[in-house]
Amino acid sequence: QQQVKQSPQSLIVQKGGIPIINCAYENTAFDYFPWYQQFPGKGPALLIAIRPDVSEKKEGRFTISFNKSAKQFSLHIMDSQPGDSATYFCAASTNDYKLSFGAGTTVTVRA
Amino acid sequence: DAGVTQSPTHLIKTRGQQVTLRCSPKSGHDTVSWYQQALGQGPQFIFQYYEEEERQRGNFPDRFSGHQFPNYSSELNVNALLLGDSALYLCASSRGNQETQYFGPGTRLLVL
Repeated sequence: QQQVKQSPQSLIVQKGGIPIINCAYENTAFDYFPWYQQFPGKGPALLIAIRPDVSEKKEGRFTISFNKSAKQFSLHIMDSQPGDSATYFCAASTNDYKLSFGAGTTVTVRA
Repeated sequence: DAGVTQSPTHLIKTRGQQVTLRCSPKSGHDTVSWYQQALGQGPQFIFQYYEEEERQRGNFPDRFSGHQFPNYSSELNVNALLLGDSALYLCASSRGNQETQYFGPGTRLLVL
């Protein structure tokens, strides 16, 4: 049972575009929501994380938007570059630190 | 500062065999979690070790077991391998009661 639902499965944007990845959850006990970036053959790398008491967080070109009432959160990649082409995972955990991951979104940024 | 390291990088086994994977956490981290990532899917939580004890466990059978050593490094053991155990096995480390987890590069296991 997927505790975190992620969409779309894949998306393609032109350089400079803004890919948007959406995630939804049901477990209201989740209180930590990280995003990871994974390149082929590598482990996931932490990009940015948010807690439910914050509606938006920015780190560099990456922005998380969080809607607690809708139980949804999303990742925006501003001014996307070909080097951003990777698979992105949203995740969530409660205070047991057990991460539940979404199925992943493969982002392709065309030059 | 070395990040999370895992060994070996790749492994090929046959059905019924046993395998041991190893992980060294990031410097200063004392908690190790193991995840299984099947091809094209998100990582699935196997278990977590803290102070040499299993603190949390996901929905994996008892064929999956682990250990944490006094230096915080960890091993994942899988017995009676099945074809479906073929996956990338990821180790993540964190510090005590902090939720931020940092992943290693993984061990790619192929069961034939």
